Amino acid sequence: EAQVTQNPRYLITVTGKKLTVTCSQNMNHEYMSWYRQDPGLGLRQIYYSMNVEVTDKGDVPEGYKVSRKEKRNFPLILESPSPNQTSLYFCASSLSGREAFFGQGTRLTVV
Amino acid sequence: AQSVAQPEDQVNVAEGNPLTVKCTYSVSGNPYLFWYVQYPNRGLQFLLKYITGDNLVKGSYGFEAEFNKSQTSFHLKKPSALVSDSALYFCAVVRSGGFQKLVFGTGTRLLVSP
Repeated sequence: EAQVTQNPRYLITVTGKKLTVTCSQNMNHEYMSWYRQDPGLGLRQIYYSMNVEVTDKGDVPEGYKVSRKEKRNFPLILESPSPNQTSLYFCASSLSGREAFFGQGTRLTVV
Repeated sequence: AQSVAQPEDQVNVAEGNPLTVKCTYSVSGNPYLFWYVQYPNRGLQFLLKYITGDNLVKGSYGFEAEFNKSQTSFHLKKPSALVSDSALYFCAVVRSGGFQKLVFGTGTRLLVSP
């Protein structure tokens, strides 16, 4: 089954404690991206990757890091989380110019 | 830069009535347009897309959308709403050609009353 898998689904952490949200896709898509969803703001892109070892900033990259060492994986790293990073996060993958497939989301709370 | 506007935060419609969720876009060049739906505690699900060709595109669950280049709109429609259509709907645009960023609107909540 074609899918994008994110883990964990829910995470509560404390300010400053590094965390990683994993994302994996099994569709051999070149393009992967991370979004955060906040009420009234829709989905805003954090980072995206056009292929292995090729990443670039989206609209709201501050406080986040990503890596793309393998085509299927695109982890999101928060080196020092802060409460303003409390949000619902989505990973997505696609072929160029085609519809994106989304993971189930990760609800992150930073206290 | 691309942008998408969904002018209505919420749309209310009675079951059985037609529904329209509005979307306008701004992009240089030719657009690829998408509609996604999000049910509570779920990820986004793809509904339909316009890439090229017929301006009226049909998608999942009986939804359709009409691409209007002169009005830069891509409104989502359904002839007869169901209570189960109640969800959050997002319009998105990407500029054609190469790898381009997918830009989303702020979303419209659809509430279908029995």
